[in-house]
Amino acid sequence: QQQVKQSPQSLIVQKGGISIINCAYENTAFDYFPWYQQFPGKGPALLIAIRPDVSEKKEGRFTISFNKSAKQFSLHIMDSQPGDSATYFCAAKGAGGGADGLTFGKGTHLIIQP
Amino acid sequence: NAGVTQTPKFQVLKTGQSMTLQCAQDMNHNSMYWYRQDPGMGLRLIYYSASEGTTDKGEVPNGYNVSRLNKREFSLRLESAAPSQTSVYFCASSVHTSNQPQHFGDGTRLSIL
Repeated sequence: QQQVKQSPQSLIVQKGGISIINCAYENTAFDYFPWYQQFPGKGPALLIAIRPDVSEKKEGRFTISFNKSAKQFSLHIMDSQPGDSATYFCAAKGAGGGADGLTFGKGTHLIIQP
Repeated sequence: NAGVTQTPKFQVLKTGQSMTLQCAQDMNHNSMYWYRQDPGMGLRLIYYSASEGTTDKGEVPNGYNVSRLNKREFSLRLESAAPSQTSVYFCASSVHTSNQPQHFGDGTRLSIL
């Protein structure tokens, strides 16, 4: 059972455009939602994270929008640049008990065309 | 500041061989994790250690064992490697398990023939 569903699987955006990646979760016990960026041959690196008590968080060109009632959250990359080309993973974590690691979406391969 | 260091970076094994993947962190983190990454599957948790002296199973623990050697080091062992264990293995650490950022190493690429 996939607890975090991520879409789209791949995305091509023109330089300067807005990249949008969506995730939906099922487990209402999740209370921490990070986004990771991964370049080829490297490990994932934390980009931005949100907790469900806020509906939006912005850090530079990256914004997370969170809809608790719909159990959905999304990553927006404003003014997308070729250097943003990478694989992006959404993830979720519960408040404790059971497995305390992150549950990841399957990833979105983002290409920013110059 | 190295962060999370994984060794080796690449390894090829034959079916049935054993191997230990090493992970060390220098951030004084309490919690450490092992994930595997397969194409189109995202990352899946194998085992984690909430603190020194404790280990727990994650989503896909079968075929693996772990050892939290000390606060810095967390190893993953494949006792009898199988082709289905061909994957990229990532180690991560965090201050503790409660909603803290996890910092990842650059992975071990393991092929089992």
